[in-house]
This record gives sequence, C-alpha cells and structure tokens, in this order.
Amino acid sequence: AQKITQTQPGMFVQEKEAVTLDCTYDTSDPSYGLFWYKQPSSGEMIFLIYQGSYDQQNATEGRYSLNFQKARKSANLVISASQLGDSAMYFCAMREVGTSYDKVIFGPGTSLSVIP
Amino acid sequence: DAGVIQSPRHEVTEMGQEVTLRCKPISGHDYLFWYRQTMMRGLELLIYFNNNVPIDDSGMPEDRFSAKMPNASFSTLKIQPSEPRDSAVYFCASSSLEGDYGYTFGSGTRLTVV
Repeated sequence: AQKITQTQPGMFVQEKEAVTLDCTYDTSDPSYGLFWYKQPSSGEMIFLIYQGSYDQQNATEGRYSLNFQKARKSANLVISASQLGDSAMYFCAMREVGTSYDKVIFGPGTSLSVIP
Repeated sequence: DAGVIQSPRHEVTEMGQEVTLRCKPISGHDYLFWYRQTMMRGLELLIYFNNNVPIDDSGMPEDRFSAKMPNASFSTLKIQPSEPRDSAVYFCASSSLEGDYGYTFGSGTRLTVV
C-alpha cells in the first residue's frame, strides 16, 4: 500500500525567505510520479510541480523546486522568495504509473503562513 | 479550455435526501476522479474512471454512494440517502497520460447535510 507523509502540520516563513516543505512516500512500484498541489483559502486545488521517478534532475517551476531524494524516498518542496500569496495548504501526492491502475494519493498537507 | 466544471458549487440538503453532484472533465482527458475532502480525513479518493469505465471504487464509503460516467464529458456522484457525516467538499479531477501527469481539479462542491 502506498503512503504519503507530511510531518509538518503548520509552517511559518518570513516574506522573501525560502521555505522547505517535507514529504516522504512509500511505494514498492519502481515507476511513479510525485506532485505538489497548493490549496489557498478559496479552496481550489492548484497543481504546482511534478517529478517522475526516473527523472535525473530535480523539477523546477519558477519559484518552486522539488528536492527529490529517491533513495530516501523524499520529495520536499522548496519555495524561494516567499510571497504573502503563498499562504495556503500544500499537499504532496504520488501516482503509481501502471497499466491497470492510475490514481493519485494525497498526503495530509502542510499549512504554510507567510509573515510580512 | 474551461477546465473541469463542477456543479453545484454549494449544496445544502436535509438528511435523507438524495444529492447529485455533477462534473464535466476537460475534453480529451480520459481519466476522471472523484475525491472527498474533510478536516478529519483529508483528501480521499472515492472512485476513478478510465475511458468512462469505473476502474477502482474501493474508496466509496458505502452503498449510499454511487458514481456514473455515461459519456466522456459528464459524470455524476450520487448520495442516497444523505447523512450529516457526508458533509464535505467533493472534488472532481481529470487527467490524461500525456504530459506531466498532473490532475486538473474542479472548484469543488461544498456539501452540507443538515
């Protein structure tokens, strides 16, 4: 059974500072994808970044980067130069890529508050 | 592209009533997912479809819940009869195997059963 762990229920960061949100996962499937989603107080789920298990380089999307450590089964999200609009819930998720199933399991989330 | 469209945005119903949530996926996406989000349980996958066929409904909490996808552009999630513990935000999402494998979520339906 797959499992996603996010050990930080809440985080605070000063505006313009960088912050790392932790995520560890557990799977026996050699092929999988890792995602991060943002959920602001308005409720919508916003896709941020994707990392494939076979990708050689860490994924980056603007101010977001994913620190992928495959051997440790961790996929931490790094947000550089935090902005007030980054205050939200952040969910780590994993998708096992197979021929007979295809679903994403989400972690419990981390609440990020950016302090001016 | 209008994204994933869910209706209604908000639903308040009395216990025992039937509730139907609707979803229109992104055109060309061949996977559709229904999730439920609560404070206690987080985001739970209820059921997902591939090419309109239900693949995994192991997350459907009980027989009161049912989901259909009669065609590639429409899906429903029905609760009959509804109970107060069904109160949650229900998300529909769609995806394809192309590209970055990310899901696109709808805006969600906030269901309150009183």
